[in-house]
Amino acid sequence: EAQVTQNPRYLITVTGKKLTVTCSQNMNHEYMSWYRQDPGLGLRQIYYSMNVEVTDKGDVPEGYKVSRKEKRNFPLILESPSPNQTSLYFCASMFHGYNEQFFGPGTRLTVL
Amino acid sequence: SQQGEEDPQALSIQEGENATMNCSYKTSINNLQWYRQNSGRGLVHLILIRSNEREKHSGRLRVTLDTSKKSSSLLITASRAADTASYFCATNPPSGNTPLVFGKGTRLSVIA
Repeated sequence: EAQVTQNPRYLITVTGKKLTVTCSQNMNHEYMSWYRQDPGLGLRQIYYSMNVEVTDKGDVPEGYKVSRKEKRNFPLILESPSPNQTSLYFCASMFHGYNEQFFGPGTRLTVL
Repeated sequence: SQQGEEDPQALSIQEGENATMNCSYKTSINNLQWYRQNSGRGLVHLILIRSNEREKHSGRLRVTLDTSKKSSSLLITASRAADTASYFCATNPPSGNTPLVFGKGTRLSVIA
């Protein structure tokens, strides 16, 4: 089944404790992206990647890191999480060009 | 930076009625897409309309695009309780290098 998977789905952590949210897609998509969704703010892009070893900042990259060593994986790294990073995070992927994005199920992160 | 602005922010209708949501955007686009999100879950692609198209249909969905007014509308006919969700428009600029930019969404409630 074609899909985007994220892990974990739910995470409660404390300020400063490094964490990684994994994202994997099995559709051979070149493009992958991370978004965060907050009430009243809609979806805001954190980072995106056009292909392996190519990443770019989105609208809200501060406090996040990403890597794209393999085509299928695009992990989101929070080196020192803070409470303002409490949010619902989505990973998405698509073929290059102007096609639809496929979204993962979301990761709900709470930073205490 | 968010480009799409959906209107209204929230809409409540009776089952069987039609629901219309609007989206306005600011800059030139290659295409405009509509997505649906059930509460707290990943977004699902509904329909894509290219800049050279004016209207597109998919099942009970009808999308129009007016590039002169930089606006689009999504019509859901004969709505069902299962259509209750948030609906987002997303624009893809002509360059192809800048990824989708999402609006803040319209929350649709269909009352049985």
